Amino acid sequence: EAGVVQSPRYKIIEKKQPVAFWCNPISGHNTLYWYRQNLGQGPELLIRYENEEAVDDSQLPKDRFSAERLKGVDSTLKIQPAELGDSAVYLCASSPTDWGGTGELFFGEGSRLTVL
Amino acid sequence: AQSVTQLDSQVPVFEEAPVELRCNYSSSVSVYLFWYVQYPNQGLQLLLKYLSGSTLVKGINGFEAEFNKSQTSFHLRKPSVHISDTAEYFCAVSEYGNKLVFGAGTILRVKS
Repeated sequence: EAGVVQSPRYKIIEKKQPVAFWCNPISGHNTLYWYRQNLGQGPELLIRYENEEAVDDSQLPKDRFSAERLKGVDSTLKIQPAELGDSAVYLCASSPTDWGGTGELFFGEGSRLTVL
Repeated sequence: AQSVTQLDSQVPVFEEAPVELRCNYSSSVSVYLFWYVQYPNQGLQLLLKYLSGSTLVKGINGFEAEFNKSQTSFHLRKPSVHISDTAEYFCAVSEYGNKLVFGAGTILRVKS
């Protein structure tokens, strides 16, 4: 079974430029998460989807970040314009259903963003 | 809101020695607790979890953790480590129905 696939693995851009990250969750997983992991810190949730609905986006900086999951499968996370402080690893994860805090999340390898 | 403190940023240990990675959490309600591992250039994967029942939880690769409610701790242990255990370990907590909150991580370095 294929795992969570993310692309690109690495991205270097100059500040004020846009960037997008793509995630393909495990087949059949209805719940999809985007996390951001700053250097030396643990992952922090940005947004959680149940199918195509964003059910928790309270930590997403909506002035510059946007996300979509149009058909309830793949998802894209966009930053426009990027700032120096956005340099981090962006992790996508999925789980079979709304896990209610008890289940296991399956993570992709992450997309490492460097903003110069 | 829940929070997690991993008391050691790095733990060096010799191969075949025992190891304990410490984790304390803060929450006003009952919680679920997790340990995830991240090997170099790989995604996070679940090592073990405590939801209810026995406070001693066994996971993959010979790891185990003990939930101590009075001390609000969930320390991870392994009696004998291998070089292949070198990785970063994340403790995480979830209040029922709420999001998963991670600690800052502990890098385990196993030396030969």
